[in-house]
Amino acid sequence: KAGVTQTPRYLIKTRGQQVTLSCSPISGHRSVSWYQQTPGQGLQFLFEYFSETQRNKGNFPGRFSGRQFSNSRSEMNVSTLELGDSALYLCASSRMRQGNTEAFFGQGTRLTVV
Amino acid sequence: DQQVKQNSPSLSVQEGRISILNCDYTNSMFDYFLWYKKYPAEGPTFLISISSIKDKNEDGRFTVFLNKSAKHLSLHIVPSQPGDSAVYFCAASNGGSQGNLIFGKGTKLSVKP
Repeated sequence: KAGVTQTPRYLIKTRGQQVTLSCSPISGHRSVSWYQQTPGQGLQFLFEYFSETQRNKGNFPGRFSGRQFSNSRSEMNVSTLELGDSALYLCASSRMRQGNTEAFFGQGTRLTVV
Repeated sequence: DQQVKQNSPSLSVQEGRISILNCDYTNSMFDYFLWYKKYPAEGPTFLISISSIKDKNEDGRFTVFLNKSAKHLSLHIVPSQPGDSAVYFCAASNGGSQGNLIFGKGTKLSVKP
């Protein structure tokens, strides 16, 4: 079955702009989480969505937001982009929120802010 | 405050030998641990996991050991192959929720032919 799909794969934006990234989870998976990967900080949790509701949020400013649709697809938005937002943004899906089930990652969106 | 630590940024091993990747954690509430492998420009790929009620889980060449009293886990790869060269991330979750994984910073494994 198809894996987690993230679009676009690469993106270049200018400081001050906003960006929307998309994630389609594995069919049947209802939990979608977003992570930011940077060389200095590693993989850091942004937020988690389940049944169209944000269930958890990491320690990121309010410029980072997201949503989940009824088909479990998710988008994340970053407004007023800063140079430090340049990173690989990864989406992960899992069948459930709880229980010992692994999360599967997409290939990520590489965002470069110039 | 880093709750999951991988203290070795890199590890080099000869093909055919054992690779041992280590991970320490500080939060005693973590009850599920996972290892992911990552190649450049790709998302992490799930390798193996272990619940806190176990001390060992094996899947082919990969074995994860958990020492709860020491808050330490390790991933053993035997025998190591050049295709295993990648960055390995240890991750932990709290309360069985896979939606919020806390990751270590990774260990880059190089397996030399």
